[in-house]
Amino acid sequence: EPEVTQTPSHQVTQMGQEVILRCVPISNHLYFYWYRQILGQKVEFLVSFYNNEISEKSEIFDDQFSVERPDGSNFTLKIRSTKLEDSAMYFCASRTTSGRNEQYFGPGTRLTVT
Amino acid sequence: EDQVTQSPEALRLQEGESSSLNCSYTVSGLRGLFWYRQDPGKGPEFLFTLYSAGEEKEKERLKATLTKKESFLHITAPKPEDSATYLCAVRGGLTFGKGTHLIIQP
Repeated sequence: EPEVTQTPSHQVTQMGQEVILRCVPISNHLYFYWYRQILGQKVEFLVSFYNNEISEKSEIFDDQFSVERPDGSNFTLKIRSTKLEDSAMYFCASRTTSGRNEQYFGPGTRLTVT
Repeated sequence: EDQVTQSPEALRLQEGESSSLNCSYTVSGLRGLFWYRQDPGKGPEFLFTLYSAGEEKEKERLKATLTKKESFLHITAPKPEDSATYLCAVRGGLTFGKGTHLIIQP
């Protein structure tokens, strides 16, 4: 069964450093998403991406964040200058364009900023 | 402002003891109400989408229902493997509630 994959599973970085989180969505999906979940808190939407552009973003997704689809398979989230409060689990999700909105989530990348 | 409230926050049941989880919402555009299951340290796993009041969906021991203001996830005769956090989301799956942490004791 096709699934969303994410790398790395755990990333430790120092405050102020740039990180890139990588995702490979399900191959025939065309909508892509990033979410974060701070430990013990709810899942929070960051950004959605379709047709090579951002379709929607939340207030969390400020100038520190960017997304890119560098090739036909990868979808990345870049955090330019990490802060302690960026420590969280980051989930990538994807869905088809068939009108069914169900999203399929990856296993997540745990980002720890020290 | 869109709001999703799930109750109870935590629920402990005996194996076979049926119950219901609640998701109440206030949203400008529903775009579907989604139920997910999340196991510790993993990503949410899609269960159901409901689009209109009166709609119902079933999968094994789970049944989801929707009204204009809330949704229920009914769990019938649960087993220990049903233990997880159940998440509700609205606005096309973009706004999540905090979840209900369900524990089924053997």
